[in-house]
Amino acid sequence: KQEVTQIPAALSVPEGENLVLNCSFTDSAIYNLQWFRQDPGKGLTSLLLIQSSQREQTSGRLNASLDKSSGRSTLYIAASQPGDSATYLCAGNSGAGSYQLTFGKGTKLSVIP
Amino acid sequence: EPEVTQTPSHQVTQMGQEVILRCVPISNHLYFYWYRQILGQKVEFLVSFYNNEISEKSEIFDDQFSVERPDGSNFTLKIRSTKLEDSAMYFCASSATLDRGQYGYTFGSGTRLTVV
Repeated sequence: KQEVTQIPAALSVPEGENLVLNCSFTDSAIYNLQWFRQDPGKGLTSLLLIQSSQREQTSGRLNASLDKSSGRSTLYIAASQPGDSATYLCAGNSGAGSYQLTFGKGTKLSVIP
Repeated sequence: EPEVTQTPSHQVTQMGQEVILRCVPISNHLYFYWYRQILGQKVEFLVSFYNNEISEKSEIFDDQFSVERPDGSNFTLKIRSTKLEDSAMYFCASSATLDRGQYGYTFGSGTRLTVV
């Protein structure tokens, strides 16, 4: 059964810092990987999707990469801002006819002004 | 940007009552899903639905749960006899597929179900 671990569980950084969030899967056979943002009590906002043929995606100050050989993904946030404060979730599916996503517990990010 | 719409945003129900959670997925998406998140815990998969039938379900999705796409736009989750442990945020999601892969998920903003 696929398990997803996100490290660190919580992170507090001063505004302007670059930071890296980590995600690892027990089964490295990941088909698609998606990073989400969740604000307290709210839904999931998709940030980046890495599809089966891709290794990296970028959107603005965000960059996500996936190493399929090790089953690890990183989310890089450049020049962090207080508005980036939220919980960041990674999730993947294994393909092979299965589209269900397995989620990590998330990294709670606080960006201090 | 297309959205997945969920109603209601918050529902309180008495234990043993039936509830129906409603969702309007993105119109050209093919796969529909329900997930739930118990407070402080991971988001968990419940069920996926494609071509008017369940394609996958988790151990959580027992006989108390059912899903339906009653018309071309709505997708519903019914819990027949709610228990206290069904209290959670329930998320609806949809995705499109291509022959060679799958587009990412779009999630709704959730329905917070409180069973008292």
